[in-house]
Amino acid sequence: QQQVKQSPQSLIVQKGGISIINCAYENTAFDYFPWYQQFPGKGPALLIAIRPDVSEKKEGRFTISFNKSAKQFSLHIMDSQPGDSATYFCAASLPFTGGTSYGKLTFGQGTILTVHP
Amino acid sequence: DSGVTQTPKHLITATGQRVTLRCSPRSGDLSVYWYQQSLDQGLQFLIQYYNGEERAKGNILERFSAQQFPDLHSELNLSSLELGDSALYFCASSVFYTSNTGELFFGEGSRLTVL
Repeated sequence: QQQVKQSPQSLIVQKGGISIINCAYENTAFDYFPWYQQFPGKGPALLIAIRPDVSEKKEGRFTISFNKSAKQFSLHIMDSQPGDSATYFCAASLPFTGGTSYGKLTFGQGTILTVHP
Repeated sequence: DSGVTQTPKHLITATGQRVTLRCSPRSGDLSVYWYQQSLDQGLQFLIQYYNGEERAKGNILERFSAQQFPDLHSELNLSSLELGDSALYFCASSVFYTSNTGELFFGEGSRLTVL
């Protein structure tokens, strides 16, 4: 119920192409869905986030699409660049309702994106 | 630079030993989170502290413990180390009470190798 399943594990895209990473969840109580980007030797950094009251959020070349009924959300990277090569993690978190369940950001397994020049 | 400082960056030790990982959060952040990253398990939430108090707990082993001090820095203690404890340990901080309110800022991690 707390799991977030991410696919694919790895992705190779040509420069200028579209990179698409998908995540699925079971717990409908999740209400916050961020994406984090991690470069080698660095910690993850927030890229973009969405809440279930909107179906899409766009920031520059990065777009989150959210499908509440299917319990899925995805990251689209338009015009992919070699500098986008990194590991991408989707995540989900429960709302603050007290107890030990809040404050837990559950991450997907990660997708290693390689963008070839 | 996220503003979160973790030490040491690398640590090699033997099975059965005990180590302490240290984290200094961003200035002004009251929440500290610890995550374990391994190749087969991804990023696993261990524990969160807010202003010195334990706030949320994940899949943290009984051999592991943590605390947050009055100056808000945090330490993660790993004892009776096993080979499977080899991983990258991340500390993250945020100004918020919970992780579903906003951004977590991650340090660069402490890589632990247990031989």
